[in-house]
Amino acid sequence: EVQLVESGGGLVQPGRSMKLSCAASGFTFNNYDMAWVCQAPKKGLEWVATISYDGSSTYYRDSVKGRFTISRDNAKSTLYLQMDSLRSEDTATYYCARQDGSLVWFAYWGQGTLVTVSS
Amino acid sequence: DIQMTQSPASLSASLGETVTIECRASEDIYNGLAWYQQKPGKSPQLLIYNANSLHTGVPSRFSGSGSGTQYSLKINSLQSEDVASYFCQQYYDYPFTFGSGTKLEIK
Repeated sequence: EVQLVESGGGLVQPGRSMKLSCAASGFTFNNYDMAWVCQAPKKGLEWVATISYDGSSTYYRDSVKGRFTISRDNAKSTLYLQMDSLRSEDTATYYCARQDGSLVWFAYWGQGTLVTVSS
Repeated sequence: DIQMTQSPASLSASLGETVTIECRASEDIYNGLAWYQQKPGKSPQLLIYNANSLHTGVPSRFSGSGSGTQYSLKINSLQSEDVASYFCQQYYDYPFTFGSGTKLEIK
């Protein structure tokens, strides 16, 4: 069974940093591109970033370029999102998701971790 | 960026009815479209990919259709467990973009 378990969320002040993790199991992690998708409270879904199966390529939405870094450790089957210079508008639940290839759909999602940026 | 316009924003229907949700892309996305269901307090779940392919384990009362810029999700024989929000998403090009969602309720 595919499982994605996010952790690392919480309350953080504007301008500070936070690192999210996503532990994957039930599939061969290094065969799949992985992504982060966020959802502000009571709002819709927004794609944040994607990393290729081998970590060689990364893609970001414009609003997080230069502030967020997606990475992975295939030996640990873990996906990361380093979030720097956080803003109040980054407040959201962050989901880890598996892509079934490059430029394809999100086949499986984690349960999400809430990040609240507030002073 | 490709804009996804989803309608209606909310929908109320009776058990057993058929409902349709529409999604329009701002340019041709060549069937690079997925539909997701998000139940209250839960994470999204994939229903349909490539505009009309049913994801593993999804009931056959869900179906997708469309091409070019116009796509739709149809739910036949509405069940109580279908109460949820539904989102379309294009993956034809980065940045991936989602529709604003449709909240489905039972009358």
